[in-house]
Amino acid sequence: EAGVAQSPRYKIIEKRQSVAFWCNPISGHATLYWYQQILGQGPKLLIQFQNNGVVDDSQLPKDRFSAERLKGVDSTLKIQPAKLEDSAVYLCASSSRRALLYEQYFGPGTRLTVT
Amino acid sequence: AQTVTQSQPEMSVQEAETVTLSCTYDTSESDYYLFWYKQPPSRQMILVIRQEAYKQQNATENRFSVNFQKAAKSFSLKISDSQLGDAAMYFCAYRSATPGTPLVFGKGTRLSVIA
Repeated sequence: EAGVAQSPRYKIIEKRQSVAFWCNPISGHATLYWYQQILGQGPKLLIQFQNNGVVDDSQLPKDRFSAERLKGVDSTLKIQPAKLEDSAVYLCASSSRRALLYEQYFGPGTRLTVT
Repeated sequence: AQTVTQSQPEMSVQEAETVTLSCTYDTSESDYYLFWYKQPPSRQMILVIRQEAYKQQNATENRFSVNFQKAAKSFSLKISDSQLGDAAMYFCAYRSATPGTPLVFGKGTRLSVIA
């Protein structure tokens, strides 16, 4: 089966600009996660969806970040306006109750550089 | 809240030798899962090995094995017969046993393999 797809792979923007990332999970995976990985740190959860509903967005900076998962499949994460500290890798992962231990499968990530 | 600590920012090992990466965690839960992920420069997060907390037997996957000490909340990864392809960032991660909960990652250990 196809893995988790993300685009773009790289993005460079200036501070105060906006940017959007796209994620297509593995077919049939109801749970989708967005993680932020700042250089030198482990990934940190930003938001979790179950189908098209938000399960946990407690760590999402809602004044500038937004995310949606219309129709319970693809998801988009947006930053507006971007700050220098948003420079990071944004990882998307998906999981299914059919997977062993509800294992999460990760996409290749999007590296964002804010200048 | 659960936390994961990796106290070794960098490690190196000679090719064909054995190396152990350390991880400790803190939780008040009795049922949970622990994972080791490998992240090469491509940024793709690859699952190396998993351990279910209720299992006393340490998990093994080919050259990779863990030393799980539940009382000490310790979960180390041993890589035997190290290969050049093992060079990567390694992340220890915790997940509650509740299906669909997100992963909590440590800061990672960068492993270099010397030919």
